Formats: sequence, C-alpha cells, structure tokens
Amino acid sequence: DAKTTQPPSMDCAEGRAANLPCNHSTISGNEYVYWYRQIHSQGPQYIIHGLKNNETNEMASLIITEDRKSSTLILPHATLRDTAVYYCIAQYSGNTPLVFGKGTRLSVIA
Amino acid sequence: DGGITQSPKYLFRKEGQNVTLSCEQNLNHDAMYWYRQDPGQGLRLIYYSQIVNDFQKGDIAEGYSVSREKKESFPLTVTSAQKNPTAFYLCASSIDRTAYGYTFGSGTRLTVV
Repeated sequence: DAKTTQPPSMDCAEGRAANLPCNHSTISGNEYVYWYRQIHSQGPQYIIHGLKNNETNEMASLIITEDRKSSTLILPHATLRDTAVYYCIAQYSGNTPLVFGKGTRLSVIA
Repeated sequence: DGGITQSPKYLFRKEGQNVTLSCEQNLNHDAMYWYRQDPGQGLRLIYYSQIVNDFQKGDIAEGYSVSREKKESFPLTVTSAQKNPTAFYLCASSIDRTAYGYTFGSGTRLTVV
C-alpha cells in the first residue's frame, strides 16, 4: 500500500503557482520522496525527488518539511498542459519497484 | 531517440483468449516493469524484471505471465485465467533499481469483448 496521503483533486488558475501537498508521516530515514505525473491516457513522467533538502529543477520545486512528514510540490507558473494526476511516492531508493497511490488530479483552469 | 515502445495502443480480446502485449526499450535499462491501471485508480504492479532471464511477481500477478529473454524486451501475456483483464497496461524501465529514473511507455488499452 502507498505510504502517502494526497488530496484527490485540486484546481489552479493558469499562470499561478500550483502547490500540491503530500503527507508521509510514516516515512523512514532512508526513504526518498518522489513525484511523478500522468497526463490523461499516457504513462507517468518523473518530475523530481528529494531526501531532506528542498530541490528544484526545470519542471518544479520540492519542499520537504524539517521533520520529513510532509512535502509540497510547486509548479511555479501552471499552464493548461500541467493538467494531470500527480503522484507522491515515499520509498527507499533500492530494489523495490515504485508503488503508486491514487494521486491528486490537478486541473489548471484558464 | 531512445525510449520505450508499447504495442499495440488498443487491443480487443475475446473472452477465453490469451493475448500478448509488447514492450521494447532501447535505453539500455536493466530493469523493466508492468503495471495495470483501472479507471480512477493508481498503478498496480504485475511483474518486474531486474535482469535478463529473471523476473518477480508483483502485487497482482495472477492470470499474467512474462518473459525476459532479451534486455530490450519484456512482453506480457494476459491469459484466460485473468478474470477481469480490461484495463490500461503500462510498461516501464529504469537504468537500475533507483526509483527516480523510471521511463514509461504510452500504454496499451486492452478491452475484452
């Protein structure tokens, strides 16, 4: 079973920042937080991952709380093409395949 | 361009028939995975392989079979023993066992008619 809790859906206005929360209160010290997204009828796409520190790449920023019990994925300027299901996964970076929950369906509205 | 290819995109099967879904990658990835997705649900792991000629069952392996004779290929057979095979099937690969490097195919939508 997935170890994370995410809201089932969120809306965001186009051009605004989208902040997607994730709760992972039982995360262990060596487990990473990964984010993937799935646009309708396509395969998921990797976005970003982190362990303790905040991370940023060309797609998004990941903010992890100091106690590591929750995190937020930030899309700084959401576009219509960011409409997708976003999956937060807390997992050891080892030989266990990714476990996907139901994710958050983000709708970016013009 | 390197990538992972699933075929066909849409597949229709009569009840009682076996059907094989193709998954090919040219990324030189060691690990490959099959997931199943039902409407409104997350992905569930069927089988995975971390090396040629070796594979492990996932959470919902009953009614499915796989082979990994070549590094590039990981076909999935949906057998007649799978009672509810209509779903969206996704194949993925990763360079090693790390979780951030998954590349997914575009999926095969299987419908039993």
